[in-house]
Amino acid sequence: DQQVKQNSPSLSVQEGRISILNCDYTNSMFDYFLWYKKYPAEGPTFLISISSIKDKNEDGRFTVFLNKSAKHLSLHIVPSQPGDSAVYFCAASESYRDDKIIFGKGTRLHILP
Amino acid sequence: DGGITQSPKYLFRKEGQNVTLSCEQNLNHDAMYWYRQDPGQGLRLIYYSQIVNDFQKGDIAEGYSVSREKKESFPLTVTSAQKNPTAFYLCASSSQHRGLYVLTFGAGSRLTVL
Repeated sequence: DQQVKQNSPSLSVQEGRISILNCDYTNSMFDYFLWYKKYPAEGPTFLISISSIKDKNEDGRFTVFLNKSAKHLSLHIVPSQPGDSAVYFCAASESYRDDKIIFGKGTRLHILP
Repeated sequence: DGGITQSPKYLFRKEGQNVTLSCEQNLNHDAMYWYRQDPGQGLRLIYYSQIVNDFQKGDIAEGYSVSREKKESFPLTVTSAQKNPTAFYLCASSSQHRGLYVLTFGAGSRLTVL
């Protein structure tokens, strides 16, 4: 049973527009949420995180929104740039120690020229 | 430059053979991890180690073994008991980022069983 779900395998967005990647989770014990970005044949890199005590965290062009009651989070990228084309993984953890981090299946983002 | 080095990048193995994937880090991180990625799948945890000479099984440890004799090194052995070993393997270590532990990944090793 998937605890972290990314229901859109892929997403195409025009360069300069907003990219919105969605993630749902089922485990109400999750307290920390992270987004990782992955290019082909490379390891994922940490992008942004949010704790369950917040509903928004912003870092430059990237903003993560958390709706605990809906068990839903989203990553907004504004404006989208060609280098943003990658696979984005949503991940969650019950504790600040990430030995129990659970990853979603990822969403492939294509930024169109 | 600090980071995680995985080798080899590509590896081919015949059925029935054991193979060891190397993972070395110079980040001075205590905890290290092995994940497996299959096409269209998320990352699944194989083994992790929070300290030298100690390690725990993750969600899919069957058919794999690890050792942690040095802080810098966390090799993964894929044994012949692993029924479907063809996959992309990722090693990671963790550090604190604003109070939250985040993972730093290596570039990965792609194992293909012929």
